[in-house]
Amino acid sequence: DAKTTQPTSMDCAEGRAANLPCNHSTISGNEYVYWYRQIHSQGPQYIIHGLKNNETNEMASLIITEDRKSSTLILPHATLRDTAVYYCIVRTPTGNYKLTFGKGTLLTVNP
Amino acid sequence: DAGVIQSPRHEVTEMGQEVTLRCKPISGHNSLFWYRQTMMRGLELLIYFNNNVPIDDSGMPEDRFSAKMPNASFSTLKIQPSEPRDSAVYFCASSLGSVRNSPLHFGNGTRLTVT
Repeated sequence: DAKTTQPTSMDCAEGRAANLPCNHSTISGNEYVYWYRQIHSQGPQYIIHGLKNNETNEMASLIITEDRKSSTLILPHATLRDTAVYYCIVRTPTGNYKLTFGKGTLLTVNP
Repeated sequence: DAGVIQSPRHEVTEMGQEVTLRCKPISGHNSLFWYRQTMMRGLELLIYFNNNVPIDDSGMPEDRFSAKMPNASFSTLKIQPSEPRDSAVYFCASSLGSVRNSPLHFGNGTRLTVT
């Protein structure tokens, strides 16, 4: 699976949009971009995934650049409960396993 | 949907003892994963089952670790004998393996402390 690069930490004010970047310059054409988050003392939580097109669900939006070498997860109105480690993962669709987690970005939402 | 259920939530044991961690996947999911998380190594995949059959156990650290899935609704991860370096949070996850790119859903983990 392609490696990803994320900032170690980020801060965001409550109520503002949180934009979390991820670089995946070695991504292959058939690899998907996944985002998970892990709130303290809980298991990782699936947020969203995409291949080429931008995606939106009730939790977040995923913007993937046209060359697919980077993406941004957007939490439109961050709350204190969004404080967590956010993982950007590139996953091959062949076989349904091996989500390889990196170190992620610690997002701290401040009041 | 009850989600992935793991038990116990916390386990404290002495070195040399046998430890068994339990997992109930989401009903209908046919893929099951065991992960381990430590500060040093982050989240690591230990083993992956599909339709109750172990597919990839390359992440299992050594022979002291074993995992079973006797049926579609239950899996165990056993450590015997346990060692202090096994202290970690162990997560179980499940997914709908027949659906391409089905996301993994994780339980809240078992925090294991071996003294």
